[in-house]
Amino acid sequence: AQKITQTQPGMFVQEKEAVTLDCTYDTSDPSYGLFWYKQPSSGEMIFLIYQGSYDQQNATEGRYSLNFQKARKSANLVISASQLGDSAMYFCAMRERDTGNQFYFGTGTSLTVIP
Amino acid sequence: DTGVSQNPRHKITKRGQNVTFRCDPISEHNRLYWYRQTLGQGPEFLTYFQNEAQLEKSRLLSDRFSAERPKGSFSTLEIQRTEQGDSAMYLCASSARISGNTIYFGEGSWLTVV
Repeated sequence: AQKITQTQPGMFVQEKEAVTLDCTYDTSDPSYGLFWYKQPSSGEMIFLIYQGSYDQQNATEGRYSLNFQKARKSANLVISASQLGDSAMYFCAMRERDTGNQFYFGTGTSLTVIP
Repeated sequence: DTGVSQNPRHKITKRGQNVTFRCDPISEHNRLYWYRQTLGQGPEFLTYFQNEAQLEKSRLLSDRFSAERPKGSFSTLEIQRTEQGDSAMYLCASSARISGNTIYFGEGSWLTVV
């Protein structure tokens, strides 16, 4: 079974609007971390935001927030006030306590911000 | 620049040749990772070092692949007798500690085997 599922291959958003990128995960480990990375065309994976499985509040980092719904095993990324520079691939990833040296990545969502 | 550095950034090689990629992690990070990313996919774990010790290897890391981190600083990933299926981006990442922290990636090394 896939550890991380991203069902949106591509998304479009109008500049200055908010957009939600979906991510669901599968694990039986009670302790895990969820991450979002941005990958522009240059190739570098840029860390955006982290959510621990025991965190009570949703993580926020500037314009990025993570909508963590533990019972549904979802960890959606919300980008507010989209900018042209947000156009990139976005990857959701998970690290489990028991396999802590491996990050499991989804297949990514390509986001295009329209002027 | 104090980020993870990888070189070469691009490599085109003929099938059957050997290639080597180098990764210089963030200086205070003792953990180092190699991932592989093919088109349309997310990165896949290859191997992990803590200091100079290679502690984990994925099944993806065939006998033709070898990674080293001789002094616990930079690392090399060598692919022997390259095959077309090895064409991918090879990403290096580093971290300071595993609990609660993310890993920081370099810009990757693109390999094309012709």
